[in-house]
Formats: sequence, structure tokens, C-alpha cells
Amino acid sequence: DGGITQSPKYLFRKEGQNVTLSCEQNLNHDAMYWYRQDPGQGLRLIYYSQIVNDFQKGDIAEGYSVSREKKESFPLTVTSAQKNPTAFYLCASSSRTQGYTFGSGTRLTVV
Amino acid sequence: SQKIEQNSEALNIQEGKTATLTCNYTNYSPAYLQWYRQDPGRGPVFLLLIRENEKEKRKERLKVTFDTTLKQSLFHITASQPADSATYLCALDMIRTGANNLFFGTGTRLTVIP
Repeated sequence: DGGITQSPKYLFRKEGQNVTLSCEQNLNHDAMYWYRQDPGQGLRLIYYSQIVNDFQKGDIAEGYSVSREKKESFPLTVTSAQKNPTAFYLCASSSRTQGYTFGSGTRLTVV
Repeated sequence: SQKIEQNSEALNIQEGKTATLTCNYTNYSPAYLQWYRQDPGRGPVFLLLIRENEKEKRKERLKVTFDTTLKQSLFHITASQPADSATYLCALDMIRTGANNLFFGTGTRLTVIP
């Protein structure tokens, strides 16, 4: 079945530590996105990529980094510069004419 | 900056009734608008897309309207069922800003009471 796989489902980060969230899709979509969701707030865009080896900052890119070396993969690194990383992270992909397909999310908690 | 307001944070209705959710936006004219369903702890699931030149779109028990003059979309679920209980998100495209992504509202949590 086609879809998006995010891993891990739960992730714990210590202060000052970088962590990487995985996102893989087998839908052959060109575009991929990372959103952050906090209680009472809408999804906020962190980064997005329209094609391999290219990506753009979203509204809240500070403290995050991404790469797009393969069409299927769009990992997100939460760096120590992100001061409030505890949130629910959602990866999505899309084709031009359809809605987004989201993964099941990664819940990141700072301990 | 863009702003989306979805009607109350929470909406409770009786099973069998029609649920109507509202999405109002300002400071932008989207080429299309999308609606998603999100269950707790899960990613959103795409439901419907409506373009600016379409007044209404239907899919089974779902109906979406799009009024570009009022800058409003209405999302209706007819013959609602307890299984329809979820948070529903409205999202606008950002193509006309030069960005190729969606801007999401905060959502309305719908509870259908048996």
C-alpha cells in the first residue's frame, strides 16, 4: 500500500541534543513537507521540498534542518538551537492535483 | 499575514443531524481550499478540495461550499454519526504568495452524540 511512514512514533530528546525524525514515502510524490502541531494551534510549516536536492524554509524553520537527497525521503533534524521542540511533528507529501497525504506523526518530548 | 478562523473550537451535535463547520479567511485569495479530518494522535486525512471557481463540492455525506466574496467555506456532514467525531481542519493554498504549501486553520473539534 502507498503511503508515508514516519519514525519513530515517540522520541525523547535531552537538552542540547540533536535528533532526526524520519519520513519516507512510496507515493512517487515530488513535494514533501514538515509541519509542527502544538495544542490549540494550527499546523505550522517548518520546511518543504518541491524536488530532490531543493528545499525552502517555512514559517518556523529556525532550529530545524532538512535534506532531500532522495525523492522518497525527507528527514527533519531538530537541533539544539530549537528552544521549544516539544510538539507533534507531521510529514506530508503531495501531487499537484490532490490533497496532502500525511504520516502518522512523531511526538517529540524534551526530557 | 494570512489568518484562518474556524468557528468554535468545539461543536456538539445530535446523531442524525447535519453538522456545519465554518472556515473564514482574511488577507488572501486562495486558488483552492481543502478540508481534512484529524483523529487524536494521528495525522490529518484529506477529505475534499474545492477550487475558487467552484461554488459547491460533494462527496457522499460531505458537502463543501466556497464563497470567495465572503472569504468563507462551509463544511457540512449530513446524517452525522458518532464515527464522524474528530477535528476538522480547513487549509488554504499559498500559491499566489509564491509559496507552494498549505496554510492550516486550528480546526474545529466535532462530537456527534448518540
